[in-house]
Amino acid sequence: GESVGLHLPTLSVQEGDNSIINCAYSNSASDYFIWYKQESGKGPQFIIDIRSNMDKRQGQRVTVLLNKTVKHLSLQIAATQPGDSAVYFCAENIGPAGNQFYFGTGTSLTVIP
Amino acid sequence: DVKVTQSSRYLVKRTGEKVFLECVQDMDHENMFWYRQDPGLGLRLIYFSYDVKMKEKGDIPEGYSVSREKKERFSLILESASTNQTSMYLCASRRTGGNTGELFFGEGSRLTVL
Repeated sequence: GESVGLHLPTLSVQEGDNSIINCAYSNSASDYFIWYKQESGKGPQFIIDIRSNMDKRQGQRVTVLLNKTVKHLSLQIAATQPGDSAVYFCAENIGPAGNQFYFGTGTSLTVIP
Repeated sequence: DVKVTQSSRYLVKRTGEKVFLECVQDMDHENMFWYRQDPGLGLRLIYFSYDVKMKEKGDIPEGYSVSREKKERFSLILESASTNQTSMYLCASRRTGGNTGELFFGEGSRLTVL
């Protein structure tokens, strides 16, 4: 089956520092990736996406990097804030209709004030 | 504000009971999904639907069925609940085409089967 995983289950950072959350995927045919944030007691929320024809995409305080050679993507959060504390998931899109998403198990980010 | 609404946030049921989880979206999305979320396992797809009355099995459909009679509503049914179906259930919707393929999620329904 497909494998979408994360290198670390937990990450703690000081407020104001940059955070890097990593994700590995196994299917070379995957062409679309999404990062989600899930706060306690809530459903996942879209953060940023990237297509396989890109290496980098930037949003507000977030950057996603895609390395297709080693099938790895990362989420960088600049100037991490307490409100960034959450579980972060990467998702990989597989399937001709684009409806088969595979999710990693998540990294729990804790921001230390 | 676009929304995916799950009717029940918390449910407690007994083994063998029939359980209905309802989900409604107001974005006119063609595609709707049911996932379950368990610690250490991430989100796993149970069923999805790409049109009214259409459904496709996901990775873990056993013990579940779904119904999509209207475009905005997608129901998950547990015909005879078992304790291993205790989980967080997440509904999502997605538009076909467009610039992004993001899934919009509801707040989740936490089901406990005793």
